[in-house]
Amino acid sequence: QVQLVQSGAEVKKPGASVKVSCKASGYTFTGYYIHWVRQAPGQGLEWMGRINPNNGGANTAQKFQGRVTMTRDTSISTAYMELSRLTSDDTAIYYCARSDGYRSSIDYWGQGILVTVSS
Amino acid sequence: DIQMTQSPSSLSASVGDRVTITCRASQSISRWLAWYQQKPGKAPNLLIYKASSLESGVPSRFSGSGSGTEFTLTISSLQPDDFATYYCQQYNSYLFTFGPGTKVDIK
Repeated sequence: QVQLVQSGAEVKKPGASVKVSCKASGYTFTGYYIHWVRQAPGQGLEWMGRINPNNGGANTAQKFQGRVTMTRDTSISTAYMELSRLTSDDTAIYYCARSDGYRSSIDYWGQGILVTVSS
Repeated sequence: DIQMTQSPSSLSASVGDRVTITCRASQSISRWLAWYQQKPGKAPNLLIYKASSLESGVPSRFSGSGSGTEFTLTISSLQPDDFATYYCQQYNSYLFTFGPGTKVDIK
C-alpha cells in the first residue's frame, strides 16, 4: 500500500532552517510528484511546491521562492524540503503528499509533522 | 498566482440536508479543480478531481461540477461522517493553490 512517512517534529529558533524528509513506499517513487503543503494552527491548507522525483525539477509557490528548497534521493525513495530564514509565522504542520501527472490532484498524504519556530 | 475563494466560509446543516459549496478562481482554470475533506487532526482526503470525477472509494453522495472560474461541491444528503472542513484546489501553469476552506458543522 502507498505510504508517505515523514520525519519527526522539529523545534527551531527564528532565522534558522529546517529540513524535513518524506519516505515513500508502495509505489514507483519516480512516477509521481511529491508536494509540500503546510497548515498553520487553526488555519487552512497552503501549497508550497512540488518536485518531480524523476528529474528533480521543482515548481514553487511565489510566496516561498528563494526560501524553500526541494530535493530527492531516488536510491532511498525519499524527498526533502528545506525552509530557510524561519519566523514564528512558519510554525505549522508540514505535509508531504503525492500526485500523478494526469489528474493534478493529491491522492496520498504523509502523516504531517509539526515544525515550531520559537525563541 | 491564481487566487481561490470559497463560499460560504462556514455553514450549519442537519443530517439529510443537501449542501452546496462554491469555489471561484481568479482566472480560468478549465476543469483543473479538486475537492478535499479534512477532519480535525487528520490529513485531507481527496473527494473529487478534474472538477467532477469522483475519487475511488468516495461515496456517491458527493458530486462536483463547474468549469472556467466557478465550481461547486454538492453533498446530496449530509451524513454524520461528513461534518468536516472542505477545500478546493486548483492547478494552473505548474502551480497549485488551495481555497480558504468551508467548515460544515451540525445545526
